[in-house]
Amino acid sequence: AQSVTQLDSHVSVSEGTPVLLRCNYSSSYSPSLFWYVQHPNKGLQLLLKYTSAATLVKGINGFEAEFKKSETSFHLTKPSAHMSDAAEYFCVVTRMDSSYKLIFGSGTRLLVRP
Amino acid sequence: NAGVTQTPKFQVLKTGQSMTLQCAQDMNHEYMSWYRQDPGMGLRLIHYSVGAGITDQGEVPNGYNVSRSTTEDFPLRLLSAAPSQTSVYFCASSDLGRGLAGVTGELFFGEGSRLTVL
Repeated sequence: AQSVTQLDSHVSVSEGTPVLLRCNYSSSYSPSLFWYVQHPNKGLQLLLKYTSAATLVKGINGFEAEFKKSETSFHLTKPSAHMSDAAEYFCVVTRMDSSYKLIFGSGTRLLVRP
Repeated sequence: NAGVTQTPKFQVLKTGQSMTLQCAQDMNHEYMSWYRQDPGMGLRLIHYSVGAGITDQGEVPNGYNVSRSTTEDFPLRLLSAAPSQTSVYFCASSDLGRGLAGVTGELFFGEGSRLTVL
């Protein structure tokens, strides 16, 4: 079955250090891939998306992600964490049987220490 | 711009009661969808619609009904509430562009409706 796996449920970094949030997907084709962020008690907001164009995707707030088909990965990175980055992050993939259906990963909560 | 508006923000129901969660968007988006968010499980798709009069099931449709009579509105009905439906519900919409490639653009989310079923 198609799935998306976020490898860490929690990630803790110090302010100013790099951020890496890992995402792997299982698929026999190239899906559309997204990263969304959710701040406490809020809806989700799109950070970036990959839809078969450039494999290195730049998003908002300094985040970027690289699509690696050979590794079926779409890891999210940021060179320098800010306190305001503390939130929950979701990796999302379109389903193979219907690109109108999205599958969400279970989420990674990012903690940023001062 | 209002974006996606959900009401109510909070609701407590007793088992067996019915209710409707309202969702409205003012962006003229063809695509609208309902998700539920439970701890440690991400968001799961309940139902979606690609235009007025067109709806389809997602991953977890049982116990929920939807209809899409206008482009703007996509209400979610709980027919007979159960404790397992305690969750946070999100409505989201998207522009489908030429409508041939599925959801390739941004999903715009409402702020959520927290439902507790006793």
